[in-house]
Amino acid sequence: GAGVSQTPSNKVTEKGKYVELRCDPISGHTALYWYRQSLGQGPEFLIYFQGTGAADDSGLPNDRFFAVRPEGSVSTLKIQRTERGDSAVYLCASSLGSPAEQFFGPGTRLTVL
Amino acid sequence: GQQLNQSPQSMFIQEGEDVSMNCTSSSIFNTWLWYKQDPGEGPVLLIALYKAGELTSNGRLTAQFGITRKDSFLNISASIPSDVGIYFCAGPAMTGANSKLTFGKGITLSVRP
Repeated sequence: GAGVSQTPSNKVTEKGKYVELRCDPISGHTALYWYRQSLGQGPEFLIYFQGTGAADDSGLPNDRFFAVRPEGSVSTLKIQRTERGDSAVYLCASSLGSPAEQFFGPGTRLTVL
Repeated sequence: GQQLNQSPQSMFIQEGEDVSMNCTSSSIFNTWLWYKQDPGEGPVLLIALYKAGELTSNGRLTAQFGITRKDSFLNISASIPSDVGIYFCAGPAMTGANSKLTFGKGITLSVRP
């Protein structure tokens, strides 16, 4: 049974570079969420998609962060001009609609040197 | 914004013991969720609570939704080594799309054999 998958599992980049993080949700799940988790903290909401559209992007920290979900399935989180403070684990979750039952992927650990 | 408070940050127990974790908020939540996160993995939903006063069990886990809707607790009975991990409480936002989850900072549980 396929759960939420995320690639890559680890990404090391240099300050100022552009990165893309990919999320494959559970098949048939219409809702997709991105969270960011810093060390010692709980996940923090970034953006929520219902289908292809971003229904809530209030958690994106600034305009360097952008996410897309062009066909309503796979989503890509894009970070421009990365900064050291962007280092964190980026988690993706999907659900059939109920926000309470979000299934999380293993995350992508991003390290910005 | 809404915040969930979990303390202490770490708990150490002996295998076979019971443990209780509390989560409080200054604002009301209509749903309370408890997640467990293992190293290198995403959070996994343990129990979801939807009604004030509700008491729900899942194996050795029992969780309650506080009457005031501002707190919840999770009990683990007869702990075993695989209970080790980080336990988060979470709840959906009360505003906007009601889709994003707010997480506490988590409690790291250690179980001594």
